Amino acid sequence: GQQVMQIPQYQHVQEGEDFTTYCNSSTTLSNIQWYKQRPGGHPVFLIQLVKSGEVKKQKRLTFQFGEAKKNSSLHITATQTTDVGTYFCAGSRLSNYQLIWGAGTKLIIKP
Amino acid sequence: KAGVTQTPRYLIKTRGQQVTLSCSPISGHRSVSWYQQTPGQGLQFLFEYFSETQRNKGNFPGRFSGRQFSNSRSEMNVSTLELGDSALYLCASSLDYQNTEAFFGQGTRLTVV
Repeated sequence: GQQVMQIPQYQHVQEGEDFTTYCNSSTTLSNIQWYKQRPGGHPVFLIQLVKSGEVKKQKRLTFQFGEAKKNSSLHITATQTTDVGTYFCAGSRLSNYQLIWGAGTKLIIKP
Repeated sequence: KAGVTQTPRYLIKTRGQQVTLSCSPISGHRSVSWYQQTPGQGLQFLFEYFSETQRNKGNFPGRFSGRQFSNSRSEMNVSTLELGDSALYLCASSLDYQNTEAFFGQGTRLTVV
């Protein structure tokens, strides 16, 4: 069935370093959404990308949606301790809008 | 406005029992989805309801069922509980099922002993 692959599973960074997570779908998506889940919390919506090649920024976070609407990335510049958590992408199927979730990338800040 | 409310927050059940979890979506939201999350795992999709109809279903056994009421509140039921059903069950509500963001509840932590 349709899958959304998300890599890496974990990323350890020093505070101040950059972080990137990638999502790749086996088929074209209607849109892609990004969520953040803090330890012990629930997923919280960050952003939705709809257009081919779209790039959106939220302060230190940059989100991209590929030209073919099959892949997406989230890049965080100069990570801070508040960025710790798991970042999930969720692609919306063209056929029925069901969200297909990536496995998540856990951002860990090295002490 | 009030967020998504899930009850109960914590539950301990014995293997073989059944359980019902409840989700009250944000007022005005008509779409409710359910997910299972186990430690270190992503979100495993259970089912999605819109206007009392199940629109999509994940790959879970028939022991997992759900329904949605006319006021959009939703319940999920797990019968004949197994140890492997221990997980965080998350409910998410959306305005509708088309390209709208999902708002998650705090979840119900189910432990099967």
